[in-house]
Amino acid sequence: EAGVTQFPSHSVIEKGQTVTLRCDPISGHDNLYWYRRVMGKEIKFLLHFVKESKQDESGMPNNRFLAERTGGTYSTLKVQPAELEDSGVYFCASSQGSGAAFLNEQFFGPGTRLTVL
Amino acid sequence: AQSVTQLDSHVSVSEGTPVLLRCNYSSSYSPSLFWYVQHPNKGLQLLLKYTSAATLVKGINGFEAEFKKSETSFHLTKPSAHMSDAAEYFCVVTPSGGSYIPTFGRGTSLIVHP
Repeated sequence: EAGVTQFPSHSVIEKGQTVTLRCDPISGHDNLYWYRRVMGKEIKFLLHFVKESKQDESGMPNNRFLAERTGGTYSTLKVQPAELEDSGVYFCASSQGSGAAFLNEQFFGPGTRLTVL
Repeated sequence: AQSVTQLDSHVSVSEGTPVLLRCNYSSSYSPSLFWYVQHPNKGLQLLLKYTSAATLVKGINGFEAEFKKSETSFHLTKPSAHMSDAAEYFCVVTPSGGSYIPTFGRGTSLIVHP
């Protein structure tokens, strides 16, 4: 069974440009999460989808970030326009189950390393 | 509010010697606690989790952790390190109420010398 995949693995863009990150969760997982790790700091929660609905987006830094999950399958995270402080590794994870979904095992992708120059 | 402190950013051991990765937490709710491992260029993988059952939790690859409420700790141990254990390890706290959003520690890099 394929794991969580993310594309691209690396992205280097200039400040002010737009970047779209993609995540394909494990088939059948209703829960999809986005996280970010800024260099030298801890991994932080960005948002949580249940199927195509945003369950919790309290971790999104600002309105330059837009996440979608059309049809409840893959998800995209768009940053527009990108700023220097957006650099970091963006992780996607998925899990089964409902209710307190965070208490279930999450399966992580390898991450997308975003560098904003 | 909750927080996680991984006391060591790097731990270096020799192959065959014990491993101890330390984690302290604080949480307003009774927490669930996790250890995840990330090997280079891979996603994080669950090693083990504590969710209010037995305080000594056994995980994959010979790892275990003990939940100590009085010390607010959840240290990860392994009796004998293997070269393949070299990776970054994350302690994660999730409250059992409220938003359930997890808080990650900053990670501990485990270096295993032959």
